Amino acid sequence: QKEVEQNSGPLSVPEGAIASLNCTYSDRGSQSFFWYRQYSGKSPELIMSIYSNGDKEDGRFTAQLNKASQYVSLLIRDSQPSDSATYLCAGGILTGGGNKLTFGTGTQLKVEL
Amino acid sequence: EADIYQTPRYLVIGTGKKITLECSQTMGHDKMYWYQQDPGMELHLIHYSYGVNSTEKGDLSSESTVSRIRTEHFPLTLESARPSHTSQYLCASSGQGNSPLHFGNGTRLTVT
Repeated sequence: QKEVEQNSGPLSVPEGAIASLNCTYSDRGSQSFFWYRQYSGKSPELIMSIYSNGDKEDGRFTAQLNKASQYVSLLIRDSQPSDSATYLCAGGILTGGGNKLTFGTGTQLKVEL
Repeated sequence: EADIYQTPRYLVIGTGKKITLECSQTMGHDKMYWYQQDPGMELHLIHYSYGVNSTEKGDLSSESTVSRIRTEHFPLTLESARPSHTSQYLCASSGQGNSPLHFGNGTRLTVT
């Protein structure tokens, strides 16, 4: 079992709809969670960080964390074609030296006109 | 916005050559990382450093080596490049505690 699991997709949504991306993690020691967006051929770009249970909103993005269920999600409201990308979920464990992140394989999102 | 720079952006080189991929950051971050990613595939951590003169191997075995002589600089070296080393190499850094990673633009390496 992978430490961080995501459905690879592709997830297709029409323009203007809500895209819902999900992620589960297996290590209960994970304390920080991140969503990155990665366009084809580009490097990952941080879009959301979440550290405590509940929702965190930033513009059209909402991250949700449920530590009891070991579940992290990302909602994208009013999806735009420019949101089409691969979204990477990452869980972090604080070690003696720093925050060790484990990445999921990513979910490909396609926003269709 | 993160200030982390990788050079070269693209590199095509012949088998057996020695190469060094450069990574520098201007944020004063202690922690730096190298990831390898093939097209459409997941990120694999190959090296990390939590400070000057500290380097560790990551989860994916790699023939590359790294050094951390200065806080801002974390170069990756391949002594003898092979076609199996063809991949995208991503450098990242992070601040204190539970901080996220910030990635550079990557180096796309092709070994012919």
